[in-house]
Amino acid sequence: DAGVTQSPTHLIKTRGQQVTLRCSPKSGHDTVSWYQQALGQGPQFIFQYYEEEERQRGNFPDRFSGHQFPNYSSELNVNALLLGDSALYLCASSYRHTGRLGNTEAFFGQGTRLTVV
Amino acid sequence: AQSVTQLGSHVSVSEGALVLLRCNYSSSVPPYLFWYVQYPNQGLQLLLKYTSAATLVKGINGFEAEFKKSETSFHLTKPSAHMSDAAEYFCAVHGGTSYGKLTFGQGTILTVHP
Repeated sequence: DAGVTQSPTHLIKTRGQQVTLRCSPKSGHDTVSWYQQALGQGPQFIFQYYEEEERQRGNFPDRFSGHQFPNYSSELNVNALLLGDSALYLCASSYRHTGRLGNTEAFFGQGTRLTVV
Repeated sequence: AQSVTQLGSHVSVSEGALVLLRCNYSSSVPPYLFWYVQYPNQGLQLLLKYTSAATLVKGINGFEAEFKKSETSFHLTKPSAHMSDAAEYFCAVHGGTSYGKLTFGQGTILTVHP
């Protein structure tokens, strides 16, 4: 089982540019969540995708957008990059059951380290 | 709304000593609680989770945590620290809905001295 895979592992971008990060969920999982982890901080929830739709969103501007494909993989796009967007971006996958027990265990990828210069 | 507070950003113990990492939560619904570990330049690995079954939860690598509703706490313990336990530990609370997000604490860096 490959687990959650993210690409690329490291990325350097210039202020104002756009970036796309990719995530393949663990086999059998249908829900993908994205988190931003700034240096020395805990991960912050960006958004969650299920059935190719954004289901919940954290306190992030519209510059952050995403997509989920029919094979459950996902992309995170960030436009007009700021220096403050430099962080480790983590993808987590889970299997959504009906009811409140859904998403009780999320598996995380290794993350993409984004540096904005 | 949910929130998590981890008391102590850095904890230092000697090898073989007790590890105690503190976590207090706030939740508007009965919480699901988690502890994750993060090694340098890696993602998060689940140590253990509480989902309203037994209040004492055992996890991987000898860690356990006790859910105390009256104290709104979910502290992580390990009887005897090993050098390989040195890492950053995050407590998290589940959002309480089917689409629930995880809300994380600020993390506690555990250092283990020989």
